[in-house]
Amino acid sequence: GAVVSQHPSWVICKSGTSVKIECRSLDFQATTMFWYRQFPKQSLMLMATSNEGSKATYEQGVEKDKFLINHASLTLSTLTVTSAHPEDSSFYICSSTSGNTGELFFGEGSRLTVL
Amino acid sequence: QKEVEQNSGPLSVPEGAIASLNCTYSDRGSQSFFWYRQYSGKSPELIMFIYSNGDKEDGRFTAQLNKASQYVSLLIRDSQPSDSATYLCAAGGSNYKLTFGKGTLLTVNP
Repeated sequence: GAVVSQHPSWVICKSGTSVKIECRSLDFQATTMFWYRQFPKQSLMLMATSNEGSKATYEQGVEKDKFLINHASLTLSTLTVTSAHPEDSSFYICSSTSGNTGELFFGEGSRLTVL
Repeated sequence: QKEVEQNSGPLSVPEGAIASLNCTYSDRGSQSFFWYRQYSGKSPELIMFIYSNGDKEDGRFTAQLNKASQYVSLLIRDSQPSDSATYLCAAGGSNYKLTFGKGTLLTVNP
């Protein structure tokens, strides 16, 4: 299957700092990438849809000014958590589709811990 | 509000048995259905997808879809301890956006 690479796999930061997470499609061009967040023992919740060359589409309740998404190329999308707080601690996962089957291929995930 | 419901479990089966995982969805417009396996602390990995009513088999895994009942299931035959994980059911439409259930924790006992 298609490969989506995510970095960093884990990060610890102080409250008030910003953290950037990168998501790359390694063997295909990802016109669209999806960013999910998963709290412990909860399911994946879609945060936003990232479209190459245009603004991201955010789900209801997700602050676009706090979670900045950039999708400047067909192989790279970034999520920046700005002014992170402890309640932002979560597992952030990017994903993309390859082809027309609708399958989502997930990155390895990034575990963010805000102290 | 699109919803996908799963029995949270945990579901415990002995090694070699059949594990049956169930899922219902609320959006009749959903066109594609997926089963993902997620090990603790890891990202989900795709096991199977199904679009048409009926059964779809892949090795030890069989997905079943009944659109009239809005029901999807996953059967795992000859369960192995390595199958122990959380299984996520997801439903999607034409825009590739998936709605996930909360997952069912499966434990296969040696």
